[in-house]
Amino acid sequence: TQLLEQSPQFLSIQEGENLTVYCNSSSVFSSLQWYRQEPGEGPVLLVTVVTGGEVKKLKRLTFQFGDARKDSSLHITAAQPGDTGLYLCAGGDIQGAQKLVFGQGTRLTINP
Amino acid sequence: DTEVTQTPKHLVMGMTNKKSLKCEQHMGHRAMYWYKQKAKKPPELMFVYSYEKLSINESVPSRFSPECPNSSLLNLHLHALQPEDSALYLCASSQEWRNGYEQYFGPGTRLTVT
Repeated sequence: TQLLEQSPQFLSIQEGENLTVYCNSSSVFSSLQWYRQEPGEGPVLLVTVVTGGEVKKLKRLTFQFGDARKDSSLHITAAQPGDTGLYLCAGGDIQGAQKLVFGQGTRLTINP
Repeated sequence: DTEVTQTPKHLVMGMTNKKSLKCEQHMGHRAMYWYKQKAKKPPELMFVYSYEKLSINESVPSRFSPECPNSSLLNLHLHALQPEDSALYLCASSQEWRNGYEQYFGPGTRLTVT
C-alpha cells in the first residue's frame, strides 16, 4: 500500500513569515496534487506536478516534485491570514489501483 | 469552468429516513467519485464511476447506494444510516479515471444522522 506522510501536521505562524510543508513517501507516484481545504468546504486543487524535479509557482506558493517522484514540498513566502486552511497532498497511485493516495494533511494557521 | 456542484449543503436525517445526495458537473468529465471525510481526516474514497459504470466500490455498506443517471450527474442514495455515518460527503470528477488526471471536488454535503 502506498502511503504519503505530511509534515508538520499543525503549523501556526505569524503573518509575513515563510513556511514549508513536506509530503514524503517511500513509493513512486505518477503525479502529485496539492489541495487547500477550508472548514466545511471541499478541497480546492492548487497544482498538479507530474515530472520529477518539476517546480511550479502560484503567486507566493512554490511547489516542487522530488527528482524520484517520491516526495513533494509546498513553500509559502510571506504568509497571509488568507493562506489559513488544511493543505492536502495526494499522489496518483502508480501500482495500477487508479486511486488518489492522500496525506493526512497539514493544518496551517496564519495569525495577523 | 472547473465547478462541481453538490446539493444539499447540509442534511439532517434520522436512522429510518431515505434521502439522496446529488452531484453535477458540466466539464465533460467521464469519471466521477464519492468520498467521505470525517473531521480532521483526509477524504476516503467510496465509489468511482467511469463512463457511467461503477468501477470501484471500496467495500461500502449497502445502506449507501450510488447511481450515475448520465455523464453529468451522480447521486448517492442513503437509507437506514447510522450516527457514525455523519460526515462531509464529497463528490469529485476528473477527465478520465486514470492517474495523472486531476480531480476536482465539489463543496460537499454535511450529513448529520440522528
